Amino acid sequence: GQNIDQPTEMTATEGAIVQINCTYQTSGFNGLFWYQQHAGEAPTFLSYNVLDGLEEKGRFSSFLSRSKGYSYLLLMELQMKDSASYLCAVVDSNYQLIWGAGTKLIIKP
Amino acid sequence: GAVVSQHPSWVICKSGTSVKIECRSLDFQATTMFWYRQFPKQSLMLMATSNEGSKATYEQGVEKDKFLINHASLTLSTLTVTSAHPEDSSFYICSARAPEPDYEQYFGPGTRLTVT
Repeated sequence: GQNIDQPTEMTATEGAIVQINCTYQTSGFNGLFWYQQHAGEAPTFLSYNVLDGLEEKGRFSSFLSRSKGYSYLLLMELQMKDSASYLCAVVDSNYQLIWGAGTKLIIKP
Repeated sequence: GAVVSQHPSWVICKSGTSVKIECRSLDFQATTMFWYRQFPKQSLMLMATSNEGSKATYEQGVEKDKFLINHASLTLSTLTVTSAHPEDSSFYICSARAPEPDYEQYFGPGTRLTVT
């Protein structure tokens, strides 16, 4: 079966750095997305990785290792507004998005 | 970037009535749209995949006769919740797949349905 694993909840301090991990086992791989979702709102796109390595985009970076079936989202200089759920999703061999359950990130002052 | 709209943003209806939710891709053509449901503090749950001009593909456990999906054009998909019950109260979100070769899904803002 297809499986995406990410921690259920994480807590971090304002101004700090946090890394949210995602491991996957899917039938084929055509890329991995990270989305941010604030409570009561729809998800918004953060990043897309299809090749191994680190993609940096401002305070957020995303890393992918296809051989390990592993990705992480790195959030730096955390702000209170970064409190949200972060969803990992993999594009499988049928070009369908397989979603993780999401990681709820709580930022404390 | 691509914009997807949903209408209505929220709706309250009585048990037994039907509700239609519209999902539109405003600045691109979407051959494939997705309908999700999300209960409070839970992750997205894919309900069905909607392909323009053909029948929707429903996920296991989703009643196709209760959740009617119509993808009549490249910019519009509709979800009709028929004979709604209080347990159908949820946040319904649609997304539209970007044109090839991109596989990103652009999400609508969601529709909060409350059935009384």
